[in-house]
Amino acid sequence: GNSVTQMEGPVTLSEEAFLTINCTYTATGYPSLFWYVQYPGEGLQLLLKATKADDKGSNKGFEATYRKETTSFHLEKGSVQVSDSAVYFCALMNTGFQKLVFGTGTRLLVSP
Amino acid sequence: GAGVSQTPSNKVTEKGKYVELRCDPISGHTALYWYRQSLGQGPEFLIYFQGTGAADDSGLPNDRFFAVRPEGSVSTLKIQRTERGDSAVYLCASSLPGTVEDTQYFGPGTRLTVL
Repeated sequence: GNSVTQMEGPVTLSEEAFLTINCTYTATGYPSLFWYVQYPGEGLQLLLKATKADDKGSNKGFEATYRKETTSFHLEKGSVQVSDSAVYFCALMNTGFQKLVFGTGTRLLVSP
Repeated sequence: GAGVSQTPSNKVTEKGKYVELRCDPISGHTALYWYRQSLGQGPEFLIYFQGTGAADDSGLPNDRFFAVRPEGSVSTLKIQRTERGDSAVYLCASSLPGTVEDTQYFGPGTRLTVL
């Protein structure tokens, strides 16, 4: 079946630190991969996506590269801000299907 | 334009009661999705509509759950004989498949509490 595994949180960082949130997946076929973010009190928002192997998605200083050989899609940012504090969800959508399969989410807390 | 809206934002009901949750998708989006998010978990897929028909209802947990989208726009998720385990945030999303807008845009959710 299809599944997504994320590192458990919370991840606690100081402002300007480097961020990595690990995500690995299991899927039949060739899924598209996504990172969604949920800021406090807000709905889920798409952060970035990649649709095929070796693609890099990027947005707001965040990046993730679709690594087929390691079935991974790790989220990175070079310098986090307090405003990046949120819950981050990794997700996949398999070819021919329209449903997203989400990981359990990773809470990021950034202190000044 | 307006995003996905959901009503009510909060719903408290008693075990055994019937509830309806409403979703208004982004105008023009042909696809509509329902997900359920339990505390500390990621959203779980329930059902997907393309137009008026349910293209994939494989995520509905049992026959107490039913959803409709009679005119291809607004959708209602209906839960009969609610149980405490149904307590969760119910999320709706919409998209326009096959276009550059083929991204699922989520609403703020309806928090359902079954007492």
